[in-house]
Amino acid sequence: KQEVTQIPAALSVPEGENLVLNCSFTDSAIYNLQWFRQDPGKGLTSLLLIQSSQREQTSGRLNASLDKSSGRSTLYIAASQPGDSATYLCASGGSYIPTFGRGTSLIVHP
Amino acid sequence: NAGVTQTPKFQVLKTGQSMTLQCAQDMNHNSMYWYRQDPGMGLRLIYYSASEGTTDKGEVPNGYNVSRLNKREFSLRLESAAPSQTSVYFCASVANFYEQYFGPGTRLTVT
Repeated sequence: KQEVTQIPAALSVPEGENLVLNCSFTDSAIYNLQWFRQDPGKGLTSLLLIQSSQREQTSGRLNASLDKSSGRSTLYIAASQPGDSATYLCASGGSYIPTFGRGTSLIVHP
Repeated sequence: NAGVTQTPKFQVLKTGQSMTLQCAQDMNHNSMYWYRQDPGMGLRLIYYSASEGTTDKGEVPNGYNVSRLNKREFSLRLESAAPSQTSVYFCASVANFYEQYFGPGTRLTVT
């Protein structure tokens, strides 16, 4: 059974820092790896999707990488802002049951 | 473009009552999923529908039934609600490459 772990569970940083969120998975036979953002009391917003054949994806200040051989994905957030405060979730997906990590709760303080 | 919509947003049930959670998507996706999200447990798949007319069990299907009414709509039914089903329920619509798009959720409390 796939297991997805996110480290750290919580992170508090000052505005302007570059930061890295980690996601590890036990079964490297994934179809994709998707990163989401969840604001308190809200649904999940898709940030980036990396297909298994890709190594990274970028959107604005966000960059996600995927290393299937080591079972890791990272989400890099450049020049963090208070508006980036949220919980970030990763999920391995495909034709089997998607598996989510428990998330990293990020606070960016001014 | 509404994306994925869910109704109701909030619901309080008494133990033993039944209800149906509705989900609809306007993105013409074939696949749709139902999840529950609980503190400390993360998101867990309840049921999914790979295409109109098909449904399959996910990780935690007990106590639930689903109906894929048409390509747009996928409903989740609790026949006899239990306090253990207190949770936030999310519907997701799945695009090419299994990219998931989520609805806003239904917050259900069973007393």
